[in-house]
Amino acid sequence: DADVTQTPRNRITKTGKRIMLECSQTKGHDRMYWYRQDPGLGLRLIYYSFDVKDINKGEISDGYSVSRQAQAKFSLSLESAIPNQTALYFCATSASGTFAYEQYFGPGTRLTVT
Amino acid sequence: SQQGEEDPQALSIQEGENATMNCSYKTSINNLQWYRQNSGRGLVHLILIRSNEREKHSGRLRVTLDTSKKSSSLLITASRAADTASYFCATETSGSRLTFGEGTQLTVNP
Repeated sequence: DADVTQTPRNRITKTGKRIMLECSQTKGHDRMYWYRQDPGLGLRLIYYSFDVKDINKGEISDGYSVSRQAQAKFSLSLESAIPNQTALYFCATSASGTFAYEQYFGPGTRLTVT
Repeated sequence: SQQGEEDPQALSIQEGENATMNCSYKTSINNLQWYRQNSGRGLVHLILIRSNEREKHSGRLRVTLDTSKKSSSLLITASRAADTASYFCATETSGSRLTFGEGTQLTVNP
């Protein structure tokens, strides 16, 4: 089984709808991240969490919220989806430490907002 | 602009040739990482090089880091068609977070 899983893998939704993307991991890592990737671009950090009680905004958090339900689960919500949130969304995890360690990525969720 | 910027944006080579991708960054870093992404899939970590290291090898991969020039390069030797993917550098910025560049799309023709 994959270490980092994301559900759903694909989602089409309408403008104004609330949607939740879920991420689960079995790596035992404390740190979890949500990124979005737009075509031809790199990844941009939306939110990150260094432990269950820690939530931090990334560079593009507007329009998004997150919930860290447990060490293994980190959900991303779009409160009122808009078309420019159409993108590929990735969850990632990493071990804790003084510096940034390698990150392990899920397979991604392709979200289309019409 | 991005902390890490890859160059070139796209690279097309023949199987067996070497592929070199470069990454430049703006601020001091603790480490720099390279990732690979097959089309539409999640990123896979390739190699991490710390700021006090100058060169690192992993199989057919060689990474160099020049902190004085704020640049890194990824060399893939004896490339294969299966190496076709996008390659991203990521630098550790404040708060132990990574900032990713926009990537180099490598195409290896059989």
